[in-house]
Amino acid sequence: KNQVEQSPQSLIILEGKNCTLQCNYTVSPFSNLRWYKQDTGRGPVSLTIMTFSENTKSNGRYTATLDADTKQSSLHITASQLSDSASYICVVSIQRGYQKVTFGIGTKLQVIP
Amino acid sequence: EAQVTQNPRYLITVTGKKLTVTCSQNMNHEYMSWYRQDPGLGLRQIYYSMNVEVTDKGDVPEGYKVSRKEKRNFPLILESPSPNQTSLYFCATTSDSSGELFFGEGSRLTVL
Repeated sequence: KNQVEQSPQSLIILEGKNCTLQCNYTVSPFSNLRWYKQDTGRGPVSLTIMTFSENTKSNGRYTATLDADTKQSSLHITASQLSDSASYICVVSIQRGYQKVTFGIGTKLQVIP
Repeated sequence: EAQVTQNPRYLITVTGKKLTVTCSQNMNHEYMSWYRQDPGLGLRQIYYSMNVEVTDKGDVPEGYKVSRKEKRNFPLILESPSPNQTSLYFCATTSDSSGELFFGEGSRLTVL
């Protein structure tokens, strides 16, 4: 069964600190992996996309990594800001079929002053 | 501006009273889908549509209907809502080339 597991479920960090969110998947055959940010009460917005051949990709203070061998991805947030408070959802696509996606439950991040 | 627009954003209704949640996109995307999001369960796909007049069930289609008569619109229909359909609903679109999902702002539905 295709699954995407994220950890931790929730996280509280101080403003300015770094943090890393984890995503493990069993989806096969793998096409790509995206991290989405979902602010409270809003729709998710894509942060990064990782394909099979990519190991690292950055988007400002967000850096995603992918290890296709171990089927693990991480999202590292540097110098966190209050606006980073949100849920971060890992989404894995099968083959090239965008309709066949599997969502993680998400990690709820709270950045406190 | 690229948009996915859902209406209503908030709705409280009673069991059995038919309702429709509309979704409209201006990105000319062929693919559209509906999801529900519940605490501890994440996003689950209800229905999706590959193109006009082409729809298919997702993971949790029971109690829902959809239609795709026009490319830009993909309404979600609850013929006889029940309390277990109380949830946060999202419409999303994507182009085949990118695979990136563009979500609407969500519709919070409460069925009493």
